[in-house]
Amino acid sequence: SAVISQKPSRDICQRGTSLTIQCQVDSQVTMMFWYRQQPGQSLTLIATANQGSEATYESGFVIDKFPISRPNLTFSTLTVSNMSPEDSSIYLCSVKTGEVGEQYFGPGTRLTVT
Amino acid sequence: GQNIDQPTEMTATEGAIVQINCTYQTSGFNGLFWYQQHAGEAPTFLSYNVLDGLEEKGRFSSFLSRSKGYSYLLLKELQMKDSASYLCAVMDSNYQLIWGAGTKLIIKP
Repeated sequence: SAVISQKPSRDICQRGTSLTIQCQVDSQVTMMFWYRQQPGQSLTLIATANQGSEATYESGFVIDKFPISRPNLTFSTLTVSNMSPEDSSIYLCSVKTGEVGEQYFGPGTRLTVT
Repeated sequence: GQNIDQPTEMTATEGAIVQINCTYQTSGFNGLFWYQQHAGEAPTFLSYNVLDGLEEKGRFSSFLSRSKGYSYLLLKELQMKDSASYLCAVMDSNYQLIWGAGTKLIIKP
């Protein structure tokens, strides 16, 4: 397993601004992921954060809107740029580190855009 | 396309047994996962099945039939703290996790 922390835990932001979310893991991991979860909905994968290379984005998500950094094997950031109310959601980072490839999740960042 | 179906919501009584079903159609199969998510919290890993049959872990068991594209999570001796959403996820041929929408389980005393 892994212990994952995220900052901030929640934020209220104005339309048009940007927010950077940090994800810290207590061990070195190859694969880190960023998800979005709307209230009452399931998880939507935004991108896979690769150490030393560009992130791999899922359909519907682009680097200009959600730039990701992965400077080392224990840390990643996700920026939500030029925010609109539609970006209000919970953002979760996860790592794939278990014996059977299970993912472990951070506590999430609850973002509200006004 | 890839698809995972779960009931949206289920209700059960404390002390009883409940079975949450999951059916899937994916591009390849490299295992099925069940996660528990309490309201306002992150998902936590419950179980993994890659071969047909039943995996038991205390009060929780998970079953898989690959030929039927079907799994279930069985919760016994239900406790109030089991009230949560239960997410089914399948790892496809690219080792990507495909997530179901989740089943909200309500436990009544």
